Amino acid sequence: AQSVTQLDSQVPVFEEAPVELRCNYSSSVSVYLFWYVQYPNQGLQLLLKYLSGSTLVKGINGFEAEFNKSQTSFHLRKPSVHISDTAEYFCAVSDPNNAGNMLTFGGGTRLMVKP
Amino acid sequence: GAVVSQHPSWVICKSGTSVKIECRSLDFQATTMFWYRQFPKQSLMLMATSNEGSKATYEQGVEKDKFLINHASLTLSTLTVTSAHPEDSSFYICSAVAGGLSYEQYFGPGTRLTVT
Repeated sequence: AQSVTQLDSQVPVFEEAPVELRCNYSSSVSVYLFWYVQYPNQGLQLLLKYLSGSTLVKGINGFEAEFNKSQTSFHLRKPSVHISDTAEYFCAVSDPNNAGNMLTFGGGTRLMVKP
Repeated sequence: GAVVSQHPSWVICKSGTSVKIECRSLDFQATTMFWYRQFPKQSLMLMATSNEGSKATYEQGVEKDKFLINHASLTLSTLTVTSAHPEDSSFYICSAVAGGLSYEQYFGPGTRLTVT
């Protein structure tokens, strides 16, 4: 069984400051890892994904994440946030041995960017 | 590419009536579709997995007779909430996976259901 923990339910940050959203997972098998963003009353948009290879993954909107196998983490970072980054962010994992298998989501982190 | 639509985007219905929500993959064929519900300020909860041409697989605790899922074609899955009650009010989101070895789910924009 897999599980995902997002340690912070809310992260307030000032505009142009750096931010890190934390994600830890547990799994008995190798995993695929994803970060999604959800704006109010909308579906989920993929920010980035880790499948294999380089542990530093770059995504859209200036976000990046680093896969750390020893710490079972996949933290999301952005060096300078904008007001428009205010949204809900979800970390998710899936089992690569089951193509198209279901995602297990973390509880979400609400990023609140203040002017 | 890889666009998923949902219809309607929001719906208000009276208690006891049924509501159908459509999920369509617009530019690819989806062998598998997933249905999620999301309560305010909470994460997505998987309700069921829908495979084209076969019965849906429901997660534990989800009433299959209340939430009817039909995946009649490779581009359309429907979720019908039967005899809706106020506690069924929620945000329903579908996702679709292309065939073969695809791993990525593409999400629809969601449907806001309010039962009065």
